[in-house]
Amino acid sequence: DIVMTQSPDSLAVSLGERATINCKSSQSVFSSSINKSSLAWYQQKPGQPPKLLIYWASIRESGVPDRFSGSGSGTDFTLTISSLQAEDVAVYYCQQFYSILPAFGQGTRVEIK
Amino acid sequence: QVQLQQSGPGLVKPSQTLSLTCAISGDSVSSNSVAWNWIRQSPSRGLEWLGRTYYRSKWYNDYAVSVKSRITINPDTSKNQFSLQLNSVTPDDTAVYYCARGINTAFDNWGQGTMLTVSS
Repeated sequence: DIVMTQSPDSLAVSLGERATINCKSSQSVFSSSINKSSLAWYQQKPGQPPKLLIYWASIRESGVPDRFSGSGSGTDFTLTISSLQAEDVAVYYCQQFYSILPAFGQGTRVEIK
Repeated sequence: QVQLQQSGPGLVKPSQTLSLTCAISGDSVSSNSVAWNWIRQSPSRGLEWLGRTYYRSKWYNDYAVSVKSRITINPDTSKNQFSLQLNSVTPDDTAVYYCARGINTAFDNWGQGTMLTVSS
């Protein structure tokens, strides 16, 4: 099984500042046949299901603000919120869809400092 | 747009069977480019993918190792929905259960969630 580990578990960022969340997979999720990493990022607010933000490690889902960006390849990935807004307070999850058994990270809580 | 509407009881007794249904609008359970998934979330397990059903000229299922002996996911083409059955539940199965559409397979559409409590 591929295990996903996020860091930090939580972070507090001032409004307008950058937030950076890391995600590491226990093995590579890069497919050379398609030249893509099978990694997604989600945002979850209280009482709501997760919302897809990023897939293939760096492609924003339609309608997602461009302050959200994803980067990385292989085993190490980053979600960046370039200028934190109040509505970005949430828990963020990474997820690999490389293996036949998808797996999520444990989540990173983002708060306002 | 795609919408997933979950239904089913919120309380199940230990050793009984959990049954949930996810009705699909805006897509087809028989689509050959997506998969239909069940995912649960609890404080102890976090987000846990349980399994999926999908159609690629015939029906396939994949299940998580943790529940493989107890789970069944079935499509219902007549009602354009799919279901989850989890047998022999214990309090450890208490969680919020979600259905979700998977593409490749990131999960791009989710149901509203069902809080399921296992208690006598």
